[in-house]
Amino acid sequence: ETGVTQTPRHLVMGMTNKKSLKCEQHLGHNAMYWYKQSAKKPLELMFVYNFKEQTENNSVPSRFSPECPNSSHLFLHLHTLQPEDSALYLCASSQGEWYGYTFGSGTRLTVV
Amino acid sequence: GESVGLHLPTLSVQEGDNSIINCAYSNSASDYFIWYKQESGKGPQFIIDIRSNMDKRQGQRVTVLLNKTVKHLSLQIAATQPGDSAVYFCAEMGFPGNQFYFGTGTSLTVIP
Repeated sequence: ETGVTQTPRHLVMGMTNKKSLKCEQHLGHNAMYWYKQSAKKPLELMFVYNFKEQTENNSVPSRFSPECPNSSHLFLHLHTLQPEDSALYLCASSQGEWYGYTFGSGTRLTVV
Repeated sequence: GESVGLHLPTLSVQEGDNSIINCAYSNSASDYFIWYKQESGKGPQFIIDIRSNMDKRQGQRVTVLLNKTVKHLSLQIAATQPGDSAVYFCAEMGFPGNQFYFGTGTSLTVIP
């Protein structure tokens, strides 16, 4: 375990479903991130939170909605997804902008 | 925009040999680099980092070399073991946004 826990590990959802991904860290980090990992592509940054405030939204479609209730928890709410949204969604945390990230194991999402 | 890429998508080495994984980056202003290892079913794991005021940094069995002149980064793994089989990513801290930009990864296979 890296200290960043993601649930669920696997998720299959229909295009009309609503689901949420959860990320939790108890490393005392102040920054949390959502990344999308698709086959043969670099990791794509989706959202950044610093001290619970969203500081980055990389032109992510509105069907993805992040929530950061406190510095230890991060959610990604999913609604009306498309099959091309199927990917591994990774959560990461860090002490700040100029520190390396600690990643969770990811949620493997399949949209059917 | 940022462009981070690795020279080879796959690399096979004999157990006990040394491995060298290469990465090229495009932003000459970047000054912080990280190598990550991702095993099957897991998130990326921090291996080693280097800042631009250094040319070389050593860890346990791993060495990172940075050549700022040609914007090239390499990861050397000594005495490669089967447990080293994984996908290796380089990441560059760039501008704007002070976010990490990731390469597409090199899949390392260690042959017993």
